[in-house]
Amino acid sequence: SYVLTQPPSVSVAPGTTATITCGGSDIGDKGVHWYQQRPGQAPVLVINYSTERPSGVPGRFSGSNSENTATLTISGVEDVDEADYYCQVWDRSSNHYVFGTGTKVTVL
Amino acid sequence: QLLESGGGLVQPGGSLRLSCAVSGSRFRDFAMSWVRRAPGKGLEWIAYINYSSRTLYYVDFVKGRFTISRDNSKNTLSLQMDNLRAADTAIYYCAKHSTAYALTPLDPFDIWGQGTVVTVS
Repeated sequence: SYVLTQPPSVSVAPGTTATITCGGSDIGDKGVHWYQQRPGQAPVLVINYSTERPSGVPGRFSGSNSENTATLTISGVEDVDEADYYCQVWDRSSNHYVFGTGTKVTVL
Repeated sequence: QLLESGGGLVQPGGSLRLSCAVSGSRFRDFAMSWVRRAPGKGLEWIAYINYSSRTLYYVDFVKGRFTISRDNSKNTLSLQMDNLRAADTAIYYCAKHSTAYALTPLDPFDIWGQGTVVTVS
């Protein structure tokens, strides 16, 4: 089955840049979606199809995708960005959605 | 808006039926999925149903135990869970897909419910 690997944690100071990677075989050929989940809340879509930002998502969130790594970047991190982040793809070979292992972002 | 219900405490081997009430007249146009998050773990996709109920997909470890269904006349999504195991303990979320009449499930989940807690013990 298709596996998406994320770093377990990322720690950043306010105002700096957080970079969260999502590794998967030839993930650059897939559309990657990113979700933010704050404690006790439902997930929220922050990036879809690798680079698109849904309406209402702050401009500090951006995404990229190439070869075997997709990346979510949060520029000018704010305290409210402290959350768990998950990448997601549709795996056609298994007809499954797959979530990444998740990354906890801590704002120092 | 999505509102889940039906969670609770059940013994191993028991059953539960989760429901997701969807507000809005376009429920029938979009695929839906169930996703769970077990304590201390990450998000896990469980099941998918397309807008017409003609296409269903399940993650391997729930096949034969869980059944996803929808009633477009009642704006309701359901998940019948049988033969429950301790490993099924989690918060269960229903989620709406973003693309109307999607032919394939490539699209993201743009609206989520707040979740319902299932405890198998």
